[in-house]
Amino acid sequence: DSGVTQTPKHLITATGQRVTLRCSPRSGDLSVYWYQQSLDQGLQFLIQYYNGEERAKGNILERFSAQQFPDLHSELNLSSLELGDSALYFCASSVLPSGGNEQFFGPGTRLTVL
Amino acid sequence: GIQVEQSPPDLILQEGANSTLRCNFSDSVNNLQWFHQNPWGQLINLFYIPSGTKQNGRLSATTVATERYSLLYISSSQTTDSGVYFCAVEQFGSWGKFQFGAGTQVVVTP
Repeated sequence: DSGVTQTPKHLITATGQRVTLRCSPRSGDLSVYWYQQSLDQGLQFLIQYYNGEERAKGNILERFSAQQFPDLHSELNLSSLELGDSALYFCASSVLPSGGNEQFFGPGTRLTVL
Repeated sequence: GIQVEQSPPDLILQEGANSTLRCNFSDSVNNLQWFHQNPWGQLINLFYIPSGTKQNGRLSATTVATERYSLLYISSSQTTDSGVYFCAVEQFGSWGKFQFGAGTQVVVTP
């Protein structure tokens, strides 16, 4: 157990819908990262937050947004869902925002868009 | 952006065999980690190793940052070692953006 929690574990929804994925970092970690893992794209970095502020952005679609709250948990919002958004979404956390520290991954949320 | 290449893409081992997985990266990095994704999808930290050598039980890793590669060595493999092994790097200057390799799929047979 990495100490990073994600809910829900599984999510099945329809095209055009909106969902919210939730992540709680390890105790003491201030930085949260979101990743998408799909069969064709592999593991892709989406976005990073550090202590409530966005710090780095990767291949995140405009239909996707995220935020980190004062209690440090984070939410990833996916809207206007398409079949291609079906994937495993991981959250990771670390103490520092970059370099020199380890990331720890949560168990992931498996999203299926029908 | 930085390119991360892992080899081999697939590896089939008999229980008890040793193997070496490689990760090449195209630019300087300030962070490199190895992960094991088990058959249930969980990503497990193996090593945080931007440079140098580390050992943890039957696993060891070496990163030669000046030559831009890292090696993961599995000794006396067990069926529980099956899964996908990923290398992930944070390019120097691209703070917080981690790039994963495509992974090495390892199958250990009894």
